[in-house]
Amino acid sequence: AQTVTQSQPEMSVQEAETVTLSCTYDTSESDYYLFWYKQPPSRQMILVIRQEAYKQQNATENRFSVNFQKAAKSFSLKISDSQLGDAAMYFCAYRVVYNQGGKLIFGQGTELSVKP
Amino acid sequence: DAGITQSPRYKITETGRQVTLMCHQTWSHSYMFWYRQDLGHGLRLIYYSAAADITDKGEVPDGYVVSRSKTENFPLTLESATRSQTSVYFCASSTGTSFGTQYFGPGTRLTVL
Repeated sequence: AQTVTQSQPEMSVQEAETVTLSCTYDTSESDYYLFWYKQPPSRQMILVIRQEAYKQQNATENRFSVNFQKAAKSFSLKISDSQLGDAAMYFCAYRVVYNQGGKLIFGQGTELSVKP
Repeated sequence: DAGITQSPRYKITETGRQVTLMCHQTWSHSYMFWYRQDLGHGLRLIYYSAAADITDKGEVPDGYVVSRSKTENFPLTLESATRSQTSVYFCASSTGTSFGTQYFGPGTRLTVL
């Protein structure tokens, strides 16, 4: 069975600085998708970035980028030029491809605080 | 452009009562999902649906019932609510392949007394 682990329950960053959130996963599949979701206090789950496992190039979305290491089964999120609005819970998620409708398997989350 | 909506946003009920949580999406996505979010467990899949009239169990289906008579609606029913079902419930939808991104509704906070 696939698992997702986020080893940092809490992280803190100074405004305008860079922070990296860690995520590792375990799977025997070769095709899958990885995601980072942001959950602010409003509780809404917001897609931050997604990575296809077959792509070697790391995904980027404005200030957000990932470091995808397929062999190491690592998928970290880098937030550059951190802003106060980045404060939230961040979830790493793995999408199952061939089972249960492509369900998402989530990590436990990392609570990110941004200091002004 | 409503996207995916859930109702109610908050619900308090008593043990043993039946409760239905509603989910509606305007994208005509084939796949829809129900997750619950609990402290220490992240989000876990309750049920999913690949299309109208096609539903199947996820990781934690006990005590829940779903139906999907129309593509855009995917209600979740707690037949006899228990305190262990106190949680935040999220509905999600995605396009017709297993490779699509899932988009989430705003969530329903359910408290069972």
